[in-house]
Amino acid sequence: ETGVTQSPTHLIKTRGQQVTLRCSSQSGHNTVSWYQQALGQGPQFIFQYYREEENGRGNFPPRFSGLQFPNYSSELNVNALELDDSALYLCASSHPGAGVYTGELFFGEGSRLTVL
Amino acid sequence: KNEVEQSPQNLTAQEGEFITINCSYSVGISALHWLQQHPGGGIVSLFMLSSGKKKHGRLIATINIQEKHSSLHITASHPRDSAVYICAVTSGGGADGLTFGKGTHLIIQP
Repeated sequence: ETGVTQSPTHLIKTRGQQVTLRCSSQSGHNTVSWYQQALGQGPQFIFQYYREEENGRGNFPPRFSGLQFPNYSSELNVNALELDDSALYLCASSHPGAGVYTGELFFGEGSRLTVL
Repeated sequence: KNEVEQSPQNLTAQEGEFITINCSYSVGISALHWLQQHPGGGIVSLFMLSSGKKKHGRLIATINIQEKHSSLHITASHPRDSAVYICAVTSGGGADGLTFGKGTHLIIQP
């Protein structure tokens, strides 16, 4: 039990649609990052939020966007869905002060997105 | 950009065997994480290392900063250790997130 919950756990969308995935972190965890994991691959870094500001981004296009809220929850939004966006999306949070990844990470169970 | 290589990709062993999984990276890091992923997707953090060695139960993780190499060892392996083990690194200020290896798929047979 990591204390990080993600919703929904599974969802199916069609190409061109938009999706919002949600992550609820432990209280006080002010750093959250999102990752995309295609089947059989390691996760890929999408972006990181620290105190509600994006402070790091991987090689993902602008149609991947996010928000972090004062209540330690966050969202990943993906517009204009493509077939290749089908993947497991994971969020991870860390302790206060761990704006850098020098502390333990707490992962959610992931949201599995299928784009048809 | 850091490149993270793990070996072996797949490993099948008998219960009780000593297991070693290796991770190499190409660029200096501020921290290295060993993670465990079970079928269904959930990831659990096992260790975070920046130097030396850590032990938790039957798991031991070591890192050699000069050689840019880390190992995860499992002593007295058990079928419940069957999972994918992933090495991930972060460098600089950490705002680059984590760079992950592709994982080692471990199966421990009774």
